[in-house]
Amino acid sequence: QKEVEQDPGPLSVPEGAIVSLNCTYSNSAFQYFMWYRQYSRKGPELLMYTYSSGNKEDGRFTAQVDKSSKYISLFIRDSQPSDSATYLCAGYNFNKFYFGSGTKLNVKP
Amino acid sequence: KAGVTQTPRYLIKTRGQQVTLSCSPISGHRSVSWYQQTPGQGLQFLFEYFSETQRNKGNFPGRFSGRQFSNSRSEMNVSTLELGDSALYLCASSQGRLAGSYEQYFGPGTRLTVT
Repeated sequence: QKEVEQDPGPLSVPEGAIVSLNCTYSNSAFQYFMWYRQYSRKGPELLMYTYSSGNKEDGRFTAQVDKSSKYISLFIRDSQPSDSATYLCAGYNFNKFYFGSGTKLNVKP
Repeated sequence: KAGVTQTPRYLIKTRGQQVTLSCSPISGHRSVSWYQQTPGQGLQFLFEYFSETQRNKGNFPGRFSGRQFSNSRSEMNVSTLELGDSALYLCASSQGRLAGSYEQYFGPGTRLTVT
C-alpha cells in the first residue's frame, strides 16, 4: 500500500465549477501536507502547504487536512481552463516527501 | 531569486550507456532531492543530498547514484541504461533545515529517452 493514495482521474469539469481533489494517507507521522500543480511536460509547482489539521486558503484555492480520517483535500473555486493540469498531493515527515500519483484535471471552456 | 535549473533538458541515450544529469538548486537551499517520474509509476523518490551527504535514499538499484558539491549543486548518474529508465528526472531543492524543509521546489526536469 502506498503511503499516499490519489485517484488518477481524469476529472473533467466546466469552467466556473468548484473542483474537489482528494487524497488519503496512511502515515500518522506526517507533519506537513502539500499540493503541487504540474502542467504537461513541466516540473511540479508548489501550490500550497498546510501544517497538521485545518484549512488554508490562497485566492481560489483552499487546502484542507483532516488528520482524524487521514484525508487531504484541495478545493478550487471558479475553476479556469488554465487550471487544467495534474495535481499531486504529498505528505512530509523528517525530510522525506511521499507523493500521490496525481489527479489529472481538465477544465472545459 | 532564480529557480531550480536542470541540464540538459532532453537527452537520448542508447541502452547500456551511462548518463549524468545536473541540478542547480535555488540560492541558499542546501537540500537537493531527485525523483523519477513515469506515467505508470508516478513520482518516485531516488535520493536526497544535504551538505554533500546523502541523507535519504529510495528503492532504486545501485545503477542510480548521485553526489552534491560544496556549492549545493548536484549531479545524478545512471549507469548501464535500460529501456525502463526512460523517464522525466526531476530535481527539487529546499532549505534542508527543520524550518523550511517542507517547502520543496522542483526544476523543469530532464527528459531521458533510452533507445
